Amino acid sequence: AQSVTQPDIHITVSEGASLELRCNYSYGATPYLFWYVQSPGQGLQLLLKYFSGDTLVQGIKGFEAEFKRSQSSFNLRKPSVHWSDAAEYFCAVGAPSRGGADGLTFGKGTHLIIQP
Amino acid sequence: DGGITQSPKYLFRKEGQNVTLSCEQNLNHDAMYWYRQDPGQGLRLIYYSQIVNDFQKGDIAEGYSVSREKKESFPLTVTSAQKNPTAFYLCATGIDTQYFGPGTRLTVL
Repeated sequence: AQSVTQPDIHITVSEGASLELRCNYSYGATPYLFWYVQSPGQGLQLLLKYFSGDTLVQGIKGFEAEFKRSQSSFNLRKPSVHWSDAAEYFCAVGAPSRGGADGLTFGKGTHLIIQP
Repeated sequence: DGGITQSPKYLFRKEGQNVTLSCEQNLNHDAMYWYRQDPGQGLRLIYYSQIVNDFQKGDIAEGYSVSREKKESFPLTVTSAQKNPTAFYLCATGIDTQYFGPGTRLTVL
């Protein structure tokens, strides 16, 4: 069975500092990989996704993520955070053989706090 | 996402009552999904449908039921058999990439 681990439940970062959120997955092959962001009481917004090809993917709001097959990781990064980045971040995987059609498996999320 | 609507935003029900959550989409997606979110638990898949008149159980289907009579609509019924129904429910559509609605917060009193 596939699984996703986000080791950090909470992360606090100063505004303007760099950010890295960790995501590790367990899957027999390379899955489809996603990062979503959620503000309190809202739905999830897609930040970026990786299906194949270039292992460094760019997303919205200045975020990027790097797929490392050898480490089964898909870490999310941002060079300089803004107060508006405070939110919950979720990593998710989907089965590539079915294009994610069977639903996604999510990590438990990382709560990002921005210090002024 | 702008093309997915969930209603109502907040829902209160008494214990033992069935309740139906609405999900409508105008994105022309074949696939639709229901997830449940609990604090600190991430999202868990309840049911999904890849085509009209067909649906499959997800990881936590017990106590829930769905129907898919139209491409645009995928309602979820939370039955009295669901032991802990209070949660945030999210609908999503799409296959390769899933897009989420704004969610419905259900509170059972």
